[in-house]
Amino acid sequence: NAGVTQTPKFRILKIGQSMTLQCTQDMNHNYMYWYRQDPGMGLKLIYYSVGAGITDKGEVPNGYNVSRSTTEDFPLRLELAAPSQTSVYFCASRPGQLGNEKLFFGSGTQLSVL
Amino acid sequence: RKEVEQDPGPFNVPEGATVAFNCTYSNSASQSFFWYRQDCRKEPKLLMSVYSSGNEDGRFTAQLNRASQYISLLIRDSKLSDSATYLCVVNGDNFNKFYFGSGTKLNVKP
Repeated sequence: NAGVTQTPKFRILKIGQSMTLQCTQDMNHNYMYWYRQDPGMGLKLIYYSVGAGITDKGEVPNGYNVSRSTTEDFPLRLELAAPSQTSVYFCASRPGQLGNEKLFFGSGTQLSVL
Repeated sequence: RKEVEQDPGPFNVPEGATVAFNCTYSNSASQSFFWYRQDCRKEPKLLMSVYSSGNEDGRFTAQLNRASQYISLLIRDSKLSDSATYLCVVNGDNFNKFYFGSGTKLNVKP
């Protein structure tokens, strides 16, 4: 049981490049989340999804896009990378049942935009 | 105003000490509260949920004060392995969203 898997683990982008951060989970969780964490800071919610085909914005969605075509996958797209998007990105999932709200995290993607 | 606020620390304590962290939240409609632990450069991991009646898990005790909108975490008999950043997490009025505090760093010294 792999849990939540994120790829790549590290990436360096040039300003203006685009890329997709991949996230997949094998726990059949309905809810999935993308967070970013800047140095010395807490996690900020970028986007989340409550099920396939349904996504919604979090606290800091600008500059990002998401899709949720399957229960397993929740990719995060950066269209025009900017230095302000240098951060560690965490994907998380949870089952969604009432009383079962534990977030399961992937190991993160460290992204640098230069 | 931030959804969740924490004292960033660091808290530097000797082994065996008792240490307490507090966290305040802004949304009175929040229903779910958690403490997560994050080791350096790693993903956060759930330490414990926080229930209205308070709850204990070994050396860790969590309390919730709804009237004052704060959550606390007490660690007794600190171990070197407790050194980490502790993140307070609260759900918003949209119960699908979870907001993280900026974390409180704990350093336990020999």
